[in-house]
Amino acid sequence: EIVMTQSPATLSVSPGERATFSCRASQSVSSNLAWYQHKPGQAPRLLIYGASTRATGVSARFSGSGSGTEFTLTISSLQSEDFAVYFCQQYDKWPPYSFGQGTKLEIK
Amino acid sequence: QVQLVQSGAEVKKPGASVKVSCRASGYTFTTYALHWVRQAPGQRLEWMGWINAGTGVTKYSQKFQGRVAITRDTSANTTYMELSSLTSEDAAIYYCARVGPYSSGWYPYWGQGTLVTVSS
Repeated sequence: EIVMTQSPATLSVSPGERATFSCRASQSVSSNLAWYQHKPGQAPRLLIYGASTRATGVSARFSGSGSGTEFTLTISSLQSEDFAVYFCQQYDKWPPYSFGQGTKLEIK
Repeated sequence: QVQLVQSGAEVKKPGASVKVSCRASGYTFTTYALHWVRQAPGQRLEWMGWINAGTGVTKYSQKFQGRVAITRDTSANTTYMELSSLTSEDAAIYYCARVGPYSSGWYPYWGQGTLVTVSS
């Protein structure tokens, strides 16, 4: 099973600044990596798939990069609605699909 | 628009079974696979299995093999996830999710989640 590890656990950033999230896979997942935003009481929201392709309707402030085992999600110019938990998911080698433990983005 | 609507919260005793439903609308039900994922308190999301809504073929995580059954009713555009022999560790929010095009592995659509509480 591929283990996804995210860092940091918590990210404190001020509105208007940039946030960068890291996701590492225990073995190569090529570009088969997705990022989601998750707010309490809501379903997760797909942001990025294929490591770098924005999902429909997702702001251009969100960007993804990486391949193999190292991936990054960047949010430029943070807005109040961006504060949430962000997690990655690999869909390269399954079963099972696997998820990172999440990074909580909080207001500094 | 695509919608996945799940059944309501459940409270079960240890050893019991729970069956959660997920009704799909806004697309041709048999065209896409539906997956089930859960999240226990403080834990990461955990993939349980999926069903090909067209053929009924299923694939389960080895962790849940023998304890989970995912089925579907094409006449009702609904998939079901039944988990048996519940323990306190099965207390979680259970989500159904639909994959993207071309049997992709990412999830553009999610149900609202169903809270399952396991308590004696």
